[in-house]
Amino acid sequence: AQTVTQSQPEMSVQEAETVTLSCTYDTSESDYYLFWYKQPPSRQMILVIRQEAYKQQNATENRFSVNFQKAAKSFSLKISDSQLGDAAMYFCAYRGMNYGGSQGNLIFGKGTKLSVKP
Amino acid sequence: DAGVIQSPRHEVTEMGQEVTLRCKPISGHNSLFWYRQTMMRGLELLIYFNNNVPIDDSGMPEDRFSAKMPNASFSTLKIQPSEPRDSAVYFCASRDRGGDSNQPQHFGDGTRLSIL
Repeated sequence: AQTVTQSQPEMSVQEAETVTLSCTYDTSESDYYLFWYKQPPSRQMILVIRQEAYKQQNATENRFSVNFQKAAKSFSLKISDSQLGDAAMYFCAYRGMNYGGSQGNLIFGKGTKLSVKP
Repeated sequence: DAGVIQSPRHEVTEMGQEVTLRCKPISGHNSLFWYRQTMMRGLELLIYFNNNVPIDDSGMPEDRFSAKMPNASFSTLKIQPSEPRDSAVYFCASRDRGGDSNQPQHFGDGTRLSIL
């Protein structure tokens, strides 16, 4: 079974600085998807960024980028120029490629709580 | 565009009562997921539907939990009888399985359930 591990329960960053959140996963599949979701205190689950395992190029979305290391099964999230609104829980998630069976659902890490200091 | 709509947003009820959580997926989405979030266990999948058919209900904790999807625009998660340990935030999510296979899941705002 696939697992997702976020080893940093809490992180803190100064406003305008850069922070990296770690995520590792375990799978025997060769193709899959990886996601980072943000959950602010409002409780919404907001998609931040996604990566297809078959793509070597790291995904980027404005101030958010990932460092995807397939061989190491690592998928870290880098937030540049941190803003107060970035403060939230961040969840790393894995999804298998196949539509059928249980591979369509997301497997989440336990999350990292990010605080942004003004 | 309307996102995934869940109701109620908050529910407080006494132990032993029946609880029904509701979800309206995004129109056109053909996969629907129910997740439960607790501090101890994080986000866990409860059940997953494709085209209104339950595909994987292995995450449903007990027979007290049941989920239905009578049509493409509505799903319910029912707990009967409810227990204090069921207190959690319950999320519904939907996804379009067609076309681009990396379509993400879109989440509702969740229902915070408190069983006293």
